Amino acid sequence: EVQLVQSGAEVKKSGESLKISCQGSGYDFTSHWIGWVRQMPGRGLEWMGIIYPGDSEIRYSPSFQGQFTISADKSVSTAYLQWSSLKASDTAMYFCARTMTSGYLDGFDIWGHGTAVTVS
Amino acid sequence: SYVLTQPPSVSVAPGKTARIPCGGDNIGSKSVHWYQQKPGQAPVLVIYFDIDRPSGIPERFSGSNSGNTATLTISRVEAEDGADYYCHVWDSSGDHPVFGGGTKLTVL
Repeated sequence: EVQLVQSGAEVKKSGESLKISCQGSGYDFTSHWIGWVRQMPGRGLEWMGIIYPGDSEIRYSPSFQGQFTISADKSVSTAYLQWSSLKASDTAMYFCARTMTSGYLDGFDIWGHGTAVTVS
Repeated sequence: SYVLTQPPSVSVAPGKTARIPCGGDNIGSKSVHWYQQKPGQAPVLVIYFDIDRPSGIPERFSGSNSGNTATLTISRVEAEDGADYYCHVWDSSGDHPVFGGGTKLTVL
């Protein structure tokens, strides 16, 4: 079964660091883009950035530039989203999702279940 | 950067047809993807490349794209179709994805 499994919910304090993960299985992890999406409580979906694990090419949304770091370790088929200093406004659900193929114009056909991050 | 505009809400009676528009500058020249999201769940791809349906998505779901508007059409609407729907394109100038603001479909 093709799936993306995300790490569990996190509760943090402002100023703390955090790294959440998204592990792919059932497919060639290096051949599909992985995107990260933020959904704040009661709000819509917002693209944060995308990574191609095959060569670690990364593109960040202009709306989020510099606020976090996206990375991937293809040896463990896992993509990461990390913050060095969290803010209360980072409180949200974070989803990872993969493109249907290696083409970056594709839709995102497989989504993780989401990681809830709460910052107080 | 590229902007996609969706109405906040659309209402439809069961058995009728719902049309959810997604507006963007010359969006007809881009490939549009649509997602359904129910409360507490991850989004699900329901239409890709304007008109294609992933396996498992009912034939009642269809898409079109021309000029400045792409449209998701749901025929013979059922109660289970009530959800938030988002359109998505890739911004060629920035090489990154862009989402519409989402439309809440209410089945009356």
